[in-house]
Amino acid sequence: ELKVEQNPLFLSMQEGKNYTIYCNYSTTSDRLYWYRQDPGKSLESLFVLLSNGAVKQEGRLMASLDTKARLSTLHITAAVHDLSATYFCAVGEGSNYKLTFGKGTLLTMNP
Amino acid sequence: DAGVIQSPRHEVTEMGQEVTLRCKPISGHNSLFWYRQTMMRGLELLIYFNNNVPIDDSGMPEDRFSAKMPNASFSTLKIQPSEPRDSAVYFCASGDRVRETQYFGPGTRLLVL
Repeated sequence: ELKVEQNPLFLSMQEGKNYTIYCNYSTTSDRLYWYRQDPGKSLESLFVLLSNGAVKQEGRLMASLDTKARLSTLHITAAVHDLSATYFCAVGEGSNYKLTFGKGTLLTMNP
Repeated sequence: DAGVIQSPRHEVTEMGQEVTLRCKPISGHNSLFWYRQTMMRGLELLIYFNNNVPIDDSGMPEDRFSAKMPNASFSTLKIQPSEPRDSAVYFCASGDRVRETQYFGPGTRLLVL
């Protein structure tokens, strides 16, 4: 059974600082997705990573995938309040459509 | 595109009542997913369809839950009878190809009293 672990689960950010969220998974996969969820809202797709070494960037967010280490990271550069949300990673297996989601990382901004 | 459409957006019902949640996927997408989100269990896949055929229903909690996809543009998730522990946000998502992302609908917030 595929297991997906995110850490940290909670992150209190200070404006302007950098942070990293880690997503580890238990079985071989070359499909890794990052989603964002604002409170009371749906999930919004951020990044799709489909090969070892893949790196995607959008604004202050950068995601990367290391399939050998079974690890993806979501890096936040110079945190701002707008990035406060819960971030999920999800992993796919082979040609199966099914995704297994991590528990999510709640990012809040320290006032 | 209107995105994935779900109805109702909110549902409050009493224990024992039947609940039907509806989903219209993005036009042209051939896969549809039903998820449940709770604080305790996080985001769980209940069932998914490919080309209107149920492929994996291993996440459906028990016989009280059933899902159908009579055509490419409509799916239902039914709970009968409902119980308080079914209270959750139910999301529908659709996708195009296996390696592409899934697009989530706005969700249905279900409260069973």
